[in-house]
Amino acid sequence: DTGVSQNPRHKITKRGQNVTFRCDPISEHNRLYWYRQTLGQGPEFLTYFQNEAQLEKSRLLSDRFSAERPKGSFSTLEIQRTEQGDSAMYLCASSPDVEEVTHQETQYFGPGTRLLVL
Amino acid sequence: SQKIEQNSEALNIQEGKTATLTCNYTNYSPAYLQWYRQDPGRGPVFLLLIRENEKEKRKERLKVTFDTTLKQSLFHITASQPADSATYLCALDTGGFKTIFGAGTRLFVKA
Repeated sequence: DTGVSQNPRHKITKRGQNVTFRCDPISEHNRLYWYRQTLGQGPEFLTYFQNEAQLEKSRLLSDRFSAERPKGSFSTLEIQRTEQGDSAMYLCASSPDVEEVTHQETQYFGPGTRLLVL
Repeated sequence: SQKIEQNSEALNIQEGKTATLTCNYTNYSPAYLQWYRQDPGRGPVFLLLIRENEKEKRKERLKVTFDTTLKQSLFHITASQPADSATYLCALDTGGFKTIFGAGTRLFVKA
């Protein structure tokens, strides 16, 4: 399967614990995005990477959230001191670089990681 | 701030009919607009992209229109099938790297 993959698919944790999610984008895609989605809502942008550089972050991304893409390939999203309000689906998406004109704006989403904070 | 509105109520239609979903936006002039399909428990899947200088775009049974004066996009599924039942998301370009998604409209197609 050459699509975007995310691990784990499900995570249950207790309030105050730290969690880390992984995203493996489509191999030739330089752009990587993280979103958060709650029930009945659309995905909310969290952050964007161009290769290993984090170029944009949402105000939703509090200081408890950190994302990395150390080698410009896979990415991790860490949430420290989780709160019940962090319960959501965390989606990763990737897209080709701007030099590839066709569908450059199209994002390819992974299956998501569903987080439940008790 | 940019705002996107989609039909909040679910749309129920009979198989074979045309489904029409609406996306309205305010406070921005996007260069393009996208529609995605999302099934329960899964990530969104890209369907169509329409640019600001395009009035209409088609792909098989799908058609999207884009009226930049009304700040509205319409998404049509003709000859709808039960397999078309899903949530359909509208997404706007913001000129940077951030994409804004609407809350989506749930479509139910009855056999």
